[in-house]
Amino acid sequence: KQEVTQIPAALSVPEGENLVLNCSFTDSAIYNLQWFRQDPGKGLTSLLLIQSSQREQTSGRLNASLDKSSGRSTLYIAASQPGDSATYLCAVNPDSNYQLIWGAGTKLIIKP
Amino acid sequence: GAGVSQTPSNKVTEKGKYVELRCDPISGHTALYWYRQSLGQGPEFLIYFQGTGAADDSGLPNDRFFAVRPEGSVSTLKIQRTERGDSAVYLCASSLGPGLATTGANVLTFGAGSRLTVL
Repeated sequence: KQEVTQIPAALSVPEGENLVLNCSFTDSAIYNLQWFRQDPGKGLTSLLLIQSSQREQTSGRLNASLDKSSGRSTLYIAASQPGDSATYLCAVNPDSNYQLIWGAGTKLIIKP
Repeated sequence: GAGVSQTPSNKVTEKGKYVELRCDPISGHTALYWYRQSLGQGPEFLIYFQGTGAADDSGLPNDRFFAVRPEGSVSTLKIQRTERGDSAVYLCASSLGPGLATTGANVLTFGAGSRLTVL
């Protein structure tokens, strides 16, 4: 059974720092992996999607990597800003549809 | 509509009552998903519709939970004989269709959720 773990559960860093969020999964047979952002009272927003054949994806200050064989993904956030404060979740897709399997998230606080 | 709309945003009910949660997906999205998120946890898949039919309902926890999408657009999640353990945020999401586009055009769009509290 696929399990997704995110460490740390919470992270607080000063504004301007670069940081890395970690996601691990137990079954390497995945279709793709996504990173989402969740703000209180709002829906989840997809940040980056990495197909199983890809190693990384970049969008602005965000870079997500995928090492399928070791069951790991990282989300790198460069030059963090207070507006980046949110909970970040990774989700593994076992097939071509969206029956995603999620980690519990990392709550990120960027201090001004 | 412009986004995925879920109503009610908050629902407080008593144990044993019946509850309906509604999801209005993005116009033209044929795929619709229900997830449930308990406090401090990631979402948990419940059911996936492709058009009017439930393509995968393997995530529904028991037979008290049922979902419909009669016209292939709006979906209703129905919970009978609610229990305190059903308290969670119920999230709905939609996408263009089955499968995922490599370009990311077929993104999954979530609603803000319906927070259910069972007293």
